[in-house]
Amino acid sequence: NAGVTQTPKFRILKIGQSMTLQCTQDMNHNYMYWYRQDPGMGLKLIYYSVGAGITDKGEVPNGYNVSRSTTEDFPLRLELAAPSQTSVYFCASSYSRGRGEKLFFGSGTQLSVL
Amino acid sequence: QKEVEQNSGPLSVPEGAIASLNCTYSDRGSQSFFWYRQYSGKSPELIMSIYSNGDKEDGRFTAQLNKASQYVSLLIRDSQPSDSATYLCAVRISSGSARQLTFGSGTQLTVLP
Repeated sequence: NAGVTQTPKFRILKIGQSMTLQCTQDMNHNYMYWYRQDPGMGLKLIYYSVGAGITDKGEVPNGYNVSRSTTEDFPLRLELAAPSQTSVYFCASSYSRGRGEKLFFGSGTQLSVL
Repeated sequence: QKEVEQNSGPLSVPEGAIASLNCTYSDRGSQSFFWYRQYSGKSPELIMSIYSNGDKEDGRFTAQLNKASQYVSLLIRDSQPSDSATYLCAVRISSGSARQLTFGSGTQLTVLP
């Protein structure tokens, strides 16, 4: 039972570098999300997707890009990394966005930009 | 005003006591409310959801919702050291084009043996 798988678990970037955070789910969920969590804070939505080929911005999308070519995969791209992007990133998925929605989270990626 | 507010704590209770966690929200049109538990260094996991005014019980956990006062709470009875975690309140905000799930900043709970 893999659920939501994120890679890598840890990464250190230099300012200006780029990278892609990978996220895969095997539950055939339509909805996928990327959140970031800063120390002592709640989760902030970066981008979300309601199905393959459909993505939309969340609360804090600047500096990030996403794509959704398949139901299973939802990678997050960081371009020109900045120290403000130091955070823990969580990918999540859900079957629907209705009342009964339950988010299934990946184990997270701890990213430091130095 | 923050959309979802929680007391950041930390909140400490002795083992066996009742832990009370509170959350207020600003959007009167919100319909769905959730409590997630997050152990240190781990990802959040859903423990309770509530949609109607009143109480909802699940084992040692009780969620309480009062839409008129715009607050939702979580009670943990017979608290155990294994309940020590950060509890995140999440509300589905109805405003705007995207009905997003908005999280509070979390309340850190420590249950003392």
